Amino acid sequence: ETGVTQTPRHLVMGMTNKKSLKCEQHLGHNAMYWYKQSAKKPLELMFVYSLEERVENNSVPSRFSPECPNSSHLFLHLHTLQPEDSALYLCASSQMVTGNTEAFFGQGTRLTVV
Amino acid sequence: RKEVEQDPGPFNVPEGATVAFNCTYSNSASQSFFWYRQDCRKEPKLLMSVYSSGNEDGRFTAQLNRASQYISLLIRDSKLSDSATYLCVVNNARYSTLTFGKGTMLLVSP
Repeated sequence: ETGVTQTPRHLVMGMTNKKSLKCEQHLGHNAMYWYKQSAKKPLELMFVYSLEERVENNSVPSRFSPECPNSSHLFLHLHTLQPEDSALYLCASSQMVTGNTEAFFGQGTRLTVV
Repeated sequence: RKEVEQDPGPFNVPEGATVAFNCTYSNSASQSFFWYRQDCRKEPKLLMSVYSSGNEDGRFTAQLNRASQYISLLIRDSKLSDSATYLCVVNNARYSTLTFGKGTMLLVSP
């Protein structure tokens, strides 16, 4: 059982739609991450939040907009996506202390843009 | 130099073989190191932490060389079920968050 929950698990959206992906962690962690993984491709880091502050934004297009309202929740707001944005979107969390603990991943949201 | 660099593979090995994965990291201030495993269409999961003295868990041995900024994972007596992508993970000393390598794919065949 994972301590990181992502919803929805599957999402199909049109290019003109607006949707949001949600991630919730119950582990008391203070760092959260969004990753994108296209079919048969490596993980691509999108955003990192540390103590609710965005510390990394890996040249992600503005049609992806992250939000971290508190240390337990992370959102990824989507609008006017392209078919090439279809991928598995993974959320992870870790505890940001000297000598990190491991990161835990959610099961991901499999997004299809039509 | 990339923060965390791995050979992408794939490594194709027969059952019973010994296989080694290497990883290099760029930030000498990094303090925590891990190996993760990712199965196809699933999320990555922790395989083992890597300690300075080296550590072993069954058929898996992880080693860290701080001087060379190098981490390794050795898998002995490979099983079909070991087929997966293995990710090297290092803490980002600047933000105290974790940085993942792109992973090395392992395919174990009968």
